[in-house]
Amino acid sequence: QKEVEQDPGPLSVPEGAIVSLNCTYSNSAFQYFMWYRQYSRKGPELLMYTYSSGNKEDGRFTAQVDKSSKYISLFIRDSQPSDSATYLCAMSAIGGATNKLIFGTGTLLAVQP
Amino acid sequence: ETGVTQTPRHLVMGMTNKKSLKCEQHLGHNAMYWYKQSAKKPLELMFVYNFKEQTENNSVPSRFSPECPNSSHLFLHLHTLQPEDSALYLCASSLELAGGRYEQYFGPGTRLTVT
Repeated sequence: QKEVEQDPGPLSVPEGAIVSLNCTYSNSAFQYFMWYRQYSRKGPELLMYTYSSGNKEDGRFTAQVDKSSKYISLFIRDSQPSDSATYLCAMSAIGGATNKLIFGTGTLLAVQP
Repeated sequence: ETGVTQTPRHLVMGMTNKKSLKCEQHLGHNAMYWYKQSAKKPLELMFVYNFKEQTENNSVPSRFSPECPNSSHLFLHLHTLQPEDSALYLCASSLELAGGRYEQYFGPGTRLTVT
């Protein structure tokens, strides 16, 4: 079993739709959760950062963490064509000698105008 | 220049060539990373440097050789590569603090093609 599972998509939605992107994980030690956005031929860009359980909102983006279910989500409201990208979830445990992030494979999102 | 920069952006090399990838971070961070990104696969962590000391080497073949002369610069020296090494190579940096915060910031990557 992979430590982090993410549906690769592709996910195609019309402009203005609400998008839900998800990851599940198996390691209960994970405490830090991140979402990165990666445009074609670019490096990943940090979008959202969450510690432990709960919700975090930033503009049209909301990140949710449910540690009891080992499940994290990213919601995008009023999606725009400029949101078309690959979305990567990443997570890390507390402590350890190195700052090791475990990534999902990424979900490709296409927002159609 | 701001953020994390990488050069070159594209590289085509033969299996017998020697080349180097360069990464520079302008964020005042103290940890730097090399990742390999291949299609349909998660990012693979290759090397980690904290305060210029290598703290992780994820069983990477010796044909990849990292170098971190200071906390702002990171190199990946390449020699005798194989076609399966063709991928996007990403550099990242982060600020290591006691008690955590683990965001990593990535550069644009070097698209490597081995012929």
